[in-house]
Amino acid sequence: DTGVSQDPRHKITKRGQNVTFRCDPISEHNRLYWYRQTLGQGPEFLTYFQNEAQLEKSRLLSDRFSAERPKGSFSTLEIQRTEQGDSAMYLCASSLPRQGGTYEQYFGPGTRLTVT
Amino acid sequence: EDQVTQSPEALRLQEGESSSLNCSYTVSGLRGLFWYRQDPGKGPEFLFTLYSAGEEKEKERLKATLTKKESFLHITAPKPEDSATYLCAVFKAAGNKLTFGGGTRVLVKP
Repeated sequence: DTGVSQDPRHKITKRGQNVTFRCDPISEHNRLYWYRQTLGQGPEFLTYFQNEAQLEKSRLLSDRFSAERPKGSFSTLEIQRTEQGDSAMYLCASSLPRQGGTYEQYFGPGTRLTVT
Repeated sequence: EDQVTQSPEALRLQEGESSSLNCSYTVSGLRGLFWYRQDPGKGPEFLFTLYSAGEEKEKERLKATLTKKESFLHITAPKPEDSATYLCAVFKAAGNKLTFGGGTRVLVKP
């Protein structure tokens, strides 16, 4: 198992363009998370899936953001009409619930988005 | 509102100079506290999970402890390869997200 993978690793786009990121979780992990991290800050939660169902979304996830996880495997995060404030590292994590209801989230390498 | 605060923001150490990082939290219904290591340009790497006050976990030169209000990450005799940003995050009984602190940037000089 190679861990959580994300693609692309870097994306430079012009303001107003749409971008899509992909995350492949650790196999058999049924929970998948998206976080956003800006320079010098800790990651901030965006949204969460259990299997194919999107169960929680942050207030940070504006209408321009949409996430999907078809068939409960990989996930995509799309940002429409990008703004300069969207420039950040987008991190994906996956987990498998443990007995007792606690679990660890394992992160991918992230996608660095730069909006010019 | 849940709050996680890490201190100091940055820490410069000489190789072999032990020190501690602090993570204080205000969270109702804490289920667990996580420590991660993050290298520049990479995703966070899982280190420890602590579930209850008094619990301790160790890994190589790192030791994490937990009280009802804070957690400490002790770095014993650090080496330059321990240079990284260390993040703590809390997980609540309700909800499924991690709430992170701002991190402590550690630089260990040879």
